[in-house]
Amino acid sequence: AQSVTQLGSHVSVSEGALVLLRCNYSSSVPPYLFWYVQYPNQGLQLLLKYTSAATLVKGINGFEAEFKKSETSFHLTKPSAHMSDAAEYFCAVSDQGQAGKSTFGDGTTLTVKP
Amino acid sequence: DTAVSQTPKYLVTQMGNDKSIKCEQNLGHDTMYWYKQDSKKFLKIMFSYNNKELIINETVPNRFSPKSPDKAHLNLHINSLELGDSAVYFCASSRSDIPTYEQYFGPGTRLTVT
Repeated sequence: AQSVTQLGSHVSVSEGALVLLRCNYSSSVPPYLFWYVQYPNQGLQLLLKYTSAATLVKGINGFEAEFKKSETSFHLTKPSAHMSDAAEYFCAVSDQGQAGKSTFGDGTTLTVKP
Repeated sequence: DTAVSQTPKYLVTQMGNDKSIKCEQNLGHDTMYWYKQDSKKFLKIMFSYNNKELIINETVPNRFSPKSPDKAHLNLHINSLELGDSAVYFCASSRSDIPTYEQYFGPGTRLTVT
């Protein structure tokens, strides 16, 4: 069975500081990994995805994530936080052949201080 | 030009009532999903349909019944509503010919049962 653990339910950074949101996964087969962002009162939006083509994945809004098989991690980073980055972030994993069944982490609330 | 739409956006009802939430996507996708997000923002898949056929059916009370009249629509009917059903329900869609099944989410329906 697949699972995802997001370390830190709340992360607070200052505007302009590095954003690091942690995600560790468990999967019995090579996984697909995703980061989604949810702004207040909105649905989830795909930020980026890992499909085994490249270990460093670039997404929208300046975010990127690195797949590290040895650490079973897929941490999300952004060099410089912007106020508009304040949102809920979800890491998700799905196994190849699972017909779209994704397991989501519990989410991390990112707060950006001026 | 909304990609995944849900109606209604807000639904307030009393215990014991029956209600429906509608979802439509205009992305040409063939797979659709229902998710439940609780008050702590935990997101769990409930159902998934591929070309009108149920392919994922998680442990959900049988008071919840999805219906897919065609591959662009997936509705959720809930009988005998309970207080614990209060949550935000998200519809999503994806393409089954893309192995990652990355999902596009609707804006959500906030259901409040009193």
